[in-house]
Amino acid sequence: RKEVEQDPGPFNVPEGATVAFNCTYSNSASQSFFWYRQDCRKEPKLLMSVYSSGNEDGRFTAQLNRASQYISLLIRDSKLSDSATYLCVVNMGNTGTASKLTFGTGTRLQVTL
Amino acid sequence: NAGVTQTPKFRVLKTGQSMTLLCAQDMNHEYMYWYRQDPGMGLRLIHYSVGEGTTAKGEVPDGYNVSRLKKQNFLLGLESAAPSQTSVYFCASSLLRDTEAFFGQGTRLTVV
Repeated sequence: RKEVEQDPGPFNVPEGATVAFNCTYSNSASQSFFWYRQDCRKEPKLLMSVYSSGNEDGRFTAQLNRASQYISLLIRDSKLSDSATYLCVVNMGNTGTASKLTFGTGTRLQVTL
Repeated sequence: NAGVTQTPKFRVLKTGQSMTLLCAQDMNHEYMYWYRQDPGMGLRLIHYSVGEGTTAKGEVPDGYNVSRLKKQNFLLGLESAAPSQTSVYFCASSLLRDTEAFFGQGTRLTVV
């Protein structure tokens, strides 16, 4: 089983649609969680951190379910510019030890007119 | 606003050749990382460093060596390149353990 698993997609959605991505992780002791965005042939960039209480940043909402070891990202009112690969990232390192950011393989989103 | 800079951006090597990839960050970050990204595999951690003079193995360290003699620089070496090391290599840095990781633009390496 992969440490961080994502549906690879692609998700093809029309502009204005709402789309949700899911991610599961294997290490129940993981402490921090992130969503990164990667455009084609570019480097990953932080989209948002994921907090236990859930958090929202404009059209983006991230949720964490520790009991199910599950993270989600919801994008509302999709824009053409949202087309990218979304990477689920979990810090598998134990508290007090070195960081061990583990990346999922990514979910590709294509928003169309 | 340099952030994290990787050199070179592209390279073609012959099997058995050696090379060094340089990563430089100007944000005074403690943590630095080297990843490789392959289709269908996601980013995999090769080596990382938690401070000047320290290095540690990641998930896929075989065939690579690293050094962090200065806080701002993290070097990745390939002593004897193999076709299996054809990949896109990303360097990243972060201030603290659980803070945002900033990535360089990547190095596309082909070993023939």
